[in-house]
Amino acid sequence: EPEVTQTPSHQVTQMGQEVILRCVPISNHLYFYWYRQILGQKVEFLVSFYNNEISEKSEIFDDQFSVERPDGSNFTLKIRSTKLEDSAMYFCASSPVGTGDQPQHFGDGTRLSIL
Amino acid sequence: QKEVEQDPGPLSVPEGAIVSLNCTYSNSAFQYFMWYRQYSRKGPELLMYTYSSGNKEDGRFTAQVDKSSKYISLFIRDSQPSDSATYLCAMSADSWGKLQFGAGTQVVVTP
Repeated sequence: EPEVTQTPSHQVTQMGQEVILRCVPISNHLYFYWYRQILGQKVEFLVSFYNNEISEKSEIFDDQFSVERPDGSNFTLKIRSTKLEDSAMYFCASSPVGTGDQPQHFGDGTRLSIL
Repeated sequence: QKEVEQDPGPLSVPEGAIVSLNCTYSNSAFQYFMWYRQYSRKGPELLMYTYSSGNKEDGRFTAQVDKSSKYISLFIRDSQPSDSATYLCAMSADSWGKLQFGAGTQVVVTP
């Protein structure tokens, strides 16, 4: 069964450094998302992306965050200057576009640890 | 009031029992309702997807949505130790819209 893949599985970064998290969505999906889950807390929406532009973003997704679809298969989340509170699991999701059920399918996440 | 409420558990049941999970929500705009299963250090895995009110069955899983009460449920029949996981409810107003998650209920099925 097709799946969303994310790399790396674990990223350790010094505070203030830039980090890029990578995702390969399911191939025929056109809607892409990033969520995060701080340890012990709910999964929270960050941003959705469709047709090469941001569809919606949350309050968390401030100027330190950016997303990009650099080619036909990858979808990236960049955090420009990481803070301690950015430590979390980051999940990428994708969904198809069209009629019928369009649920979001998630990858296994990248665990981001900020030191 | 939190937008989506879900009892975090843990909920411990013996193997073969029915697991009953539920969420309540406050936003009447929600129309799409999902249940995800999450194993430790893994991503949410879609179990059930329901539009609007009604019941949906898939194997051992049954999802129910009561929009009038703003209440959704997931039932797992003949539970197995492999069903031990955290179950997340999620919902959205639009078919492609952002998901609002519950806190997740930890389920432990004991042999």
